[in-house]
Amino acid sequence: NAGVTQTPKFQVLKTGQSMTLQCAQDMNHEYMSWYRQDPGMGLRLIHYSVGAGITDQGEVPNGYNVSRSTTEDFPLRLLSAAPSQTSVYFCASSYGRTYNEQFFGPGTRLTVL
Amino acid sequence: TQLLEQSPQFLSIQEGENLTVYCNSSSVFSSLQWYRQEPGEGPVLLVTVVTGGEVKKLKRLTFQFGDARKDSSLHITAAQPGDTGLYLCAGALWEGGSEKLVFGKGTKLTVNP
Repeated sequence: NAGVTQTPKFQVLKTGQSMTLQCAQDMNHEYMSWYRQDPGMGLRLIHYSVGAGITDQGEVPNGYNVSRSTTEDFPLRLLSAAPSQTSVYFCASSYGRTYNEQFFGPGTRLTVL
Repeated sequence: TQLLEQSPQFLSIQEGENLTVYCNSSSVFSSLQWYRQEPGEGPVLLVTVVTGGEVKKLKRLTFQFGDARKDSSLHITAAQPGDTGLYLCAGALWEGGSEKLVFGKGTKLTVNP
């Protein structure tokens, strides 16, 4: 099993550009989430999904969209990138409830100029 | 407001020393997880504690959940350079009718040979 995969590994955007961060898992996990990690801020939840077709906002959802059309995939869309979105983004999945073990992907380091 | 306070934020010690990392809150958690994150990678679960007063050991690492389920500690005996990394605690709690996982900001540990 590949676990949780994320692409790309690194990305540089200009202010105003849009892009999609890809996340896929092959563990048949119902719960998937997106976090951003900034120095001194820890991991902050952006959006999460409890199953295909169901998504909800986390702590810092502004500027990001998500959809969950399949169990395996959970892409994160930046509609109009801003320098404040410069961060490392992690996708995670877990079996069942939110408090179960989170399996994290390797992360995407995004820089917005 | 940070729900989970971790201390210290940074810790640099010599190989062979002992150390303790703390995770504190005023909220009661249904469970608490500890993760370790190495540079360029996603966090990996070390342990989950569920019962107040619970103690779990993982080789040289000892994890304790407070009796009131509001705090936790991680103690490392005879630290080794391989223990270097970012240690994150994450607590599960009910808020707004749903269960969520909140992360502390992390403790960055460096063990010097």
